Amino acid sequence: DTEVTQTPKHLVMGMTNKKSLKCEQHMGHRAMYWYKQKAKKPPELMFVYSYEKLSINESVPSRFSPECPNSSLLNLHLHALQPEDSALYLCASSQDNRLAGGRETQYFGPGTRLLVL
Amino acid sequence: ILNVEQSPQSLHVQEGDSTNFTCSFPSSNFYALHWYRWETAKSPEALFVMTLNGDEKKKGRISATLNTKEGYSYLYIKGSQPEDSATYLCALHSGTYKYIFGTGTRLKVLA
Repeated sequence: DTEVTQTPKHLVMGMTNKKSLKCEQHMGHRAMYWYKQKAKKPPELMFVYSYEKLSINESVPSRFSPECPNSSLLNLHLHALQPEDSALYLCASSQDNRLAGGRETQYFGPGTRLLVL
Repeated sequence: ILNVEQSPQSLHVQEGDSTNFTCSFPSSNFYALHWYRWETAKSPEALFVMTLNGDEKKKGRISATLNTKEGYSYLYIKGSQPEDSATYLCALHSGTYKYIFGTGTRLKVLA
C-alpha cells in the first residue's frame, strides 16, 4: 500500500471557524510533511515531523497548528484563518532514512483544497 | 533563498511527438533532484530520484538526465501519448527534509 490519504478533499470555512485537515499513511514511514500550494506557485514546505516530533516549522503563522498523534497520522488544525490562506494543502510521507542522502522518495496525498471566506 | 526554475511553463504537443523540458537549480547545497508527475485531482507521483552528476534514468518512454555542475536536469518524453498529459514537477533536495519545488511544466498531449 503506497497510498497517502487526505480528508476532506474540499473545505470551505469562515475566518472564525476551527477545522482540521487529516492525513494518513500505512507504509511505515516516519517522516511526514505538510505543504501549501497557491495557484501557479510551487508547493511550499510548512512543517515536517520525524518520528512523531516536529523537526521543521518554516515560520508558519500560529493559526496553523500541526499534530502527529502517531506514526501513521498527521493533522493540521486551522483556526482564525485569513482569505489569503486559501490554497491546496498537500501531505507527504517518506521513510526518514538519514543514510539515504536525499534519495528518499516522498509519497504525496491528493491534497485538501481549502477556501477561506 | 534557493530557487528552482522550470521551463517552459506549459507545452502543447501532438500525439507521437517527443518533447523535453528543463529544471534549473543552484548547484550548491545539492543532495538530490526529484521528478514528479502530477495529474489533475490526483497525487503527485514520483518518477525519478537523481543524485550523481551525469545520472541518466529511464522509465518506459520517459527519461531524465542530470548535470549538477551547471545546475540543470532534463526530462524527455518519447512518442508522447494523451495519457502523458500532466504537470511535471522537479524538486531539489537541499538538506535534511528540505525539498524545494519548481512551478512545474504543464504538458498537454493532443490526440
